[in-house]
Amino acid sequence: KAGVTQTPRYLIKTRGQQVTLSCSPISGHRSVSWYQQTPGQGLQFLFEYFSETQRNKGNFPGRFSGRQFSNSRSEMNVSTLELGDSALYLCASSFRQGAFRTEAFFGQGTRLTVV
Amino acid sequence: ELKVEQNPLFLSMQEGKNYTIYCNYSTTSDRLYWYRQDPGKSLESLFVLLSNGAVKQEGRLMASLDTKARLSTLHITAAVHDLSATYFCAVDMIPNFGNEKLTFGTGTRLTIIP
Repeated sequence: KAGVTQTPRYLIKTRGQQVTLSCSPISGHRSVSWYQQTPGQGLQFLFEYFSETQRNKGNFPGRFSGRQFSNSRSEMNVSTLELGDSALYLCASSFRQGAFRTEAFFGQGTRLTVV
Repeated sequence: ELKVEQNPLFLSMQEGKNYTIYCNYSTTSDRLYWYRQDPGKSLESLFVLLSNGAVKQEGRLMASLDTKARLSTLHITAAVHDLSATYFCAVDMIPNFGNEKLTFGTGTRLTIIP
């Protein structure tokens, strides 16, 4: 069974640019969440999508946005990049039915460097 | 706002010794997770603890949950080098209505010394 797939694995962008990251969940998982990991702030929740709807959002500025497609694949977009956006961005998927959900299974992450 | 504290932040252990990592959280929750992360790698799920008094064991690792004390522990028995990694606890908000919003601890970087 394939795991969570994130692309690309590495990205280098310039300040002011925008970036789109992609995440394909485990087959059958319709819940996708995004986390940012930095040495200073640790792991922080960005948002969660289920059935193409954002269900939860973390404390990040509006420059961070996401969406989910009908096949459960998700994308995350960051506009007007800042140096502080340099981080490992992790996507996780879980199986959810009603109030039941499994633990989150994480992808390998996308390492974003803003210069 | 849910806060999760882990201690210690760094732990250097000799092989064969026992030790415990602690995870305290600030508000009521009934879902606590332990993850492992190797350098440059993603997070690997270790344990899911869903109720007060829950105890789970896998090999040399044992996790427990005390929801009344808002405390979870990860106990390492007779450590071996392969257990060197960073360990995170994570707590889910409630009520969550099935949604997810994990708050992670700071992580404990564990180094096992031969």
